[in-house]
Amino acid sequence: DAKTTQPPSMDCAEGRAANLPCNHSTISGNEYVYWYRQIHSQGPQYIIHGLKNNETNEMASLIITEDRKSSTLILPHATLRDTAVYYCIVRVGTSGTYKYIFGTGTRLKVLA
Amino acid sequence: EPEVTQTPSHQVTQMGQEVILRCVPISNHLYFYWYRQILGQKVEFLVSFYNNEISEKSEIFDDQFSVERPDGSNFTLKIRSTKLEDSAMYFCASSMVRGRLNTEAFFGQGTRLTVV
Repeated sequence: DAKTTQPPSMDCAEGRAANLPCNHSTISGNEYVYWYRQIHSQGPQYIIHGLKNNETNEMASLIITEDRKSSTLILPHATLRDTAVYYCIVRVGTSGTYKYIFGTGTRLKVLA
Repeated sequence: EPEVTQTPSHQVTQMGQEVILRCVPISNHLYFYWYRQILGQKVEFLVSFYNNEISEKSEIFDDQFSVERPDGSNFTLKIRSTKLEDSAMYFCASSMVRGRLNTEAFFGQGTRLTVV
């Protein structure tokens, strides 16, 4: 079962920041948080991941709380093309047995 | 940018037939995965493969399923006797190890399997 919970849907105005929350209260100390998104039925697209420090790349920022029980994905300037289902995933397992367990995700709709 | 390639993009098969779904992972990756997504449902883990053997499999991955890396570049998923409920999008993914860390998994665009 997925170790994360996310709101089922969110709306965001185009050009504004989209803040997508995720709870992962049972995360273990060495488990990473990953974010992926899926546009229509395409393959999940990697966005960002982190362990305990905040992370930023060209797509997004990831803010992880100090206790690591929750995180927020930030899309700084959402565009219509960011409309997708966003998955917060805790990667489980150890080297050689990793797996990504998807939950139901947040359906983000960016509005013009 | 390197990508995971899956073929065919769409496969229609009759119930009871065998199908093989093919994937070419990113060339220096060592971990391989198959996932499936039934229409309108979430992405489900099927199996992971590392060091030429299955490292983890879900309860969905029963005796009807098998995986193979026949030639060092392809990674295949075989369904021996398809059932109607096997109709789904099947995604292949791969990841590598960088130092002591396993990096993010990259997913292919999927094969839509329709069993009639």
